[in-house]
Amino acid sequence: GAVVSQHPSRVICKSGTSVKIECRSLDFQATTMFWYRQFPKQSLMLMATSNEGSKATYEQGVEKDKFLINHASLTLSTLTVTSAHPEDSSFYICSARDPGFGNQPQHFGDGTRLSIL
Amino acid sequence: AQKVTQAQTEISVVEKEDVTLDCVYETRDTTYYLFWYKQPPSGELVFLIRRNSFDEQNEISGRYSWNFQKSTSSFNFTITASQVVDSAVYFCALSEEAQGAQKLVFGQGTRLTINP
Repeated sequence: GAVVSQHPSRVICKSGTSVKIECRSLDFQATTMFWYRQFPKQSLMLMATSNEGSKATYEQGVEKDKFLINHASLTLSTLTVTSAHPEDSSFYICSARDPGFGNQPQHFGDGTRLSIL
Repeated sequence: AQKVTQAQTEISVVEKEDVTLDCVYETRDTTYYLFWYKQPPSGELVFLIRRNSFDEQNEISGRYSWNFQKSTSSFNFTITASQVVDSAVYFCALSEEAQGAQKLVFGQGTRLTINP
């Protein structure tokens, strides 16, 4: 079964709306989670590293005020796209690794397809 | 900086043919991991394999096989006797350690179409 749950799977909303996406680790605690973005027919690009209890680390070119990340607990990271516009339409996907199994690869959520009208 | 190159943007073959997806990487790290993921049209990433930089043994899993060559910085993926269900976008990725976790650098992806 899924070890990383992402919700919602799809969002369609009007321009100017803020959208929150949740990423939960199931059955394990994740001090670090990652958020990726994928535009149509393109690769996945890391947006930011979400750190439990501290500020997220953003990749170059990603606006931290636009993409708010909160990692308030060891099992939940949220990505909020503030005042979303059509150019923010994309596929957002999170990942986490179970630190209890140090040699295991990270797990990905099923992704959130965001469409801004 | 880390970089992954998948030079083949799209590949189309007829069912039952063998197909190889190329992956070339760049890194200055001596310890790293390489991955292959499958992304079907539904969007989720399906983990296929992870390879440690110190383990150059080739691996076979059913119809899938991987050839890791550090000398050429390549980690190629071969599907034998391809099937229509293998149609997807395949990503090669390289890990970079970040605070004990692993953030991934992805290649551009190869869209594989298997025709009946």
